[in-house]
Amino acid sequence: EPEVTQTPSHQVTQMGQEVILRCVPISNHLYFYWYRQILGQKVEFLVSFYNNEISEKSEIFDDQFSVERPDGSNFTLKIRSTKLEDSAMYFCASSDYQNIQYFGAGTRLSVL
Amino acid sequence: GENVEQHPSTLSVQEGDSAVIKCTYSDSASNYFPWYKQELGKGPQLIIDIRSNVGEKKDQRIAVTLNKTAKHFSLHITETQPEDSAVYFCAASPNTGFQKLVFGTGTRLLVSP
Repeated sequence: EPEVTQTPSHQVTQMGQEVILRCVPISNHLYFYWYRQILGQKVEFLVSFYNNEISEKSEIFDDQFSVERPDGSNFTLKIRSTKLEDSAMYFCASSDYQNIQYFGAGTRLSVL
Repeated sequence: GENVEQHPSTLSVQEGDSAVIKCTYSDSASNYFPWYKQELGKGPQLIIDIRSNVGEKKDQRIAVTLNKTAKHFSLHITETQPEDSAVYFCAASPNTGFQKLVFGTGTRLLVSP
């Protein structure tokens, strides 16, 4: 069964450092998303991406965040200068035109 | 914007009992309502979804009901098993094209043998 793949599974970084979280969406999906889940809380939308541009972003997704589809298979989330409060699980999702979204296993980001 | 409320936050049942989790939403434009199961350390896994043109959908031991007038939808799990223990999230989204999912706060279901 096709699945969304995320790497790394766990990323530890120092405050102020840049991190890049990587995702390989399901191959025939065209719509991509990043969500965040702070420990013990609900899943929150960060950004959606289609046709090589951002479709929608939440207030969480400020100038420190960016997304990119550098090639035909990868979808990345970059945090330019990490803060302690960026520590969370980050989930990538992809969907077909029916908006059925499939999630990856997530990257746990720990900012020290 | 959309706001999704979910109850209860925790639910403990005995194996074989039924479990019901309820969600309400605020945006009448929402037409797509998926349910996700999240096991410890894993990503949300889609278990069932419903669109506003139907009132109920079943898949083996899992069913979802939708009341668009009252803006609420529920997940029903019958004959619960210990492996059903997880956190369950409801979500809502407009059905037009692709849209973000707005999640509820989650229900931790514990099924005791």
